[in-house]
Amino acid sequence: EIVLTQSPATLSLSPGERATLSCRASQSVSSYLAWYQQKPGQAPRLLIYDASNRATGIPARFSGSGSGTDFTLTISSLEPEDFAVYYCQQRSNWPPEMYTFGQGTKLEIK
Amino acid sequence: QVQLVQSGAEVKKPGASVKVSCKASGYTFTSYGISWVRQAPGQGLEWMGWISAYNGNTNYAQKLQGRVTMTTDTSTSTAYMELRSLRSDDTAVYYCARKTGPFDYWGQGTLVTVSS
Repeated sequence: EIVLTQSPATLSLSPGERATLSCRASQSVSSYLAWYQQKPGQAPRLLIYDASNRATGIPARFSGSGSGTDFTLTISSLEPEDFAVYYCQQRSNWPPEMYTFGQGTKLEIK
Repeated sequence: QVQLVQSGAEVKKPGASVKVSCKASGYTFTSYGISWVRQAPGQGLEWMGWISAYNGNTNYAQKLQGRVTMTTDTSTSTAYMELRSLRSDDTAVYYCARKTGPFDYWGQGTLVTVSS
């Protein structure tokens, strides 16, 4: 089973700053990597899929990069509504099709 | 617009079963899979498995094999997740999500509490 490790566990920043979140896989996941945002009491929201593609309606300040085992979610200039928990997710390319999530990074206001 | 509406909160005793529903609308139900994800209180997301709404094929997370069954009713565009032999550590919010590769639309979540 592929394990995803996110870092840091908590990131404290101020509005307007740049956020860089990391997700490392225990083995290559090619580009099948997605990022989700979750706010308290809400369902997760898809931000990025296939490592670098923004989902419908996602602002351009969110960007994803990476391939293989190392991936990054960047928020170029934090807005107040961006403070939330972020999860990465991988999809295995081998049958059967399986998914795993990272443990999450909490982005909090400094 | 795409919507996934889940059934309401449940309280169950240890050893019992629970069945959560997820009614889809706003898209062709059989064109996508439905995945189930759960989240224990204060914890992260755990993938449980998925079902093809086209042919009913399923893949379950290994840790839940033998206790979980996912089904669909294409006549009502509804997906179901049944979890048996409930334990206290099954207490969680259970989400359904449309699977297009990633999970692009999510239900509102169903709280399942397992308590004696």
